[in-house]
Amino acid sequence: DVKVTQSSRYLVKRTGEKVFLECVQDMDHENMFWYRQDPGLGLRLIYFSYDVKMKEKGDIPEGYSVSREKKERFSLILESASTNQTSMYLCASSPGEATRTQETQYFGPGTRLLVL
Amino acid sequence: AQKITQTQPGMFVQEKEAVTLDCTYDTSDPSYGLFWYKQPSSGEMIFLIYQGSYDQQNATEGRYSLNFQKARKSANLVISASQLGDSAMYFCAMRDGGNNRLAFGKGNQVVVIP
Repeated sequence: DVKVTQSSRYLVKRTGEKVFLECVQDMDHENMFWYRQDPGLGLRLIYFSYDVKMKEKGDIPEGYSVSREKKERFSLILESASTNQTSMYLCASSPGEATRTQETQYFGPGTRLLVL
Repeated sequence: AQKITQTQPGMFVQEKEAVTLDCTYDTSDPSYGLFWYKQPSSGEMIFLIYQGSYDQQNATEGRYSLNFQKARKSANLVISASQLGDSAMYFCAMRDGGNNRLAFGKGNQVVVIP
């Protein structure tokens, strides 16, 4: 079974802090994704990566950066956390081959981040 | 422009009854895939069912089936014989051909009552 793990289930940080959210997958997937989920807004894509050291902006990249130094690990970084970044953060991975529309994404358990 | 639309308000469903969750989508690509995910209160997203744009038959996975109406661009999820464990948020998502990204709807809340 595919396993996607996230470093924390719950996280509390202060405004202005630098925050790292880590995601690790164990299925050698090429693609990895970071979403944030807010009530009434569904899942919104922040960044994704289709290869090591490659990244692309999603729909809401402002205030975030990412790092993918190894294939299995994709980090989301909040350079200076703000209260409006309080949210649920979900990491996902999927195999490569963009032409295969049937490949689902596999999700981690999520990190609930509270910025005070 | 929003690609996936889920507009139903939260739903209460009697245990053992069927429930249909609506999803409409928008794409000009002839090759696409449609997905449904379940998110219980614990937070993890669980893949339920997939429908490809070229699939001739509606997808089924156990108690889940997808009512795919291509001309209407709708992909409704049907859960038969609801169970208490079906209480969750349900998300419809689409992936266009040649694109790694999934576009998600805003979700439907389902509460199954005994």
